[in-house]
Amino acid sequence: QQQVKQSPQSLIVQKGGISIINCAYENTAFDYFPWYQQFPGKGPALLIAIRPDVSEKKEGRFTISFNKSAKQFSLHIMDSQPGDSATYFCAASGEGGSEKLVFGKGTKLTVNP
Amino acid sequence: GAVVSQHPSRVICKSGTSVKIECRSLDFQATTMFWYRQFPKQSLMLMATSNEGSKATYEQGVEKDKFLINHASLTLSTLTVTSAHPEDSSFYICSASGATSTDTQYFGPGTRLTVL
Repeated sequence: QQQVKQSPQSLIVQKGGISIINCAYENTAFDYFPWYQQFPGKGPALLIAIRPDVSEKKEGRFTISFNKSAKQFSLHIMDSQPGDSATYFCAASGEGGSEKLVFGKGTKLTVNP
Repeated sequence: GAVVSQHPSRVICKSGTSVKIECRSLDFQATTMFWYRQFPKQSLMLMATSNEGSKATYEQGVEKDKFLINHASLTLSTLTVTSAHPEDSSFYICSASGATSTDTQYFGPGTRLTVL
């Protein structure tokens, strides 16, 4: 019940395309859903996060879509760029962001020029 | 934005020695800090959660006597890997969150530990 399932494991997109990464969770107590971007040898960096009171959040080229009834959320990267090539992790936690995060297994995104 | 630093960024040590890794929140007070380890091409695995001034809470399967965590101030937490062995070689990452329940976790840049 604590798992967050992330797919796909890897994704190859052409420059300018849309990258879509999906996550699903079981624990209905989760109420905070962040996405992190990690480059090789670096720590994860918070990209965007959403709470269950909204169904979508957009920041620049990055959008989170949230479906509370299906217990799913996804990250959309519009106009994908080679610089977006990284590993993306979804995560979930309860009681806001200060509780421990449960991470998905990650998606390695490659954006070809 | 919130900045978390780690020191050192890389450390190589001999088997049997102890290594200390520092995690600092530079521009906010971190009431809670988390320590993770990450193996190549894998996700982050939470090792322990520490709150300032109290004992750390370790995840199941993590040896508390081997991975000593101290959170003595609102801006500093340390992880000491005692009697390190080659299987402890990994990427160790800390994160920190502030005082309110709406605060998110900000991650440090990580420390690459190699035990020879």
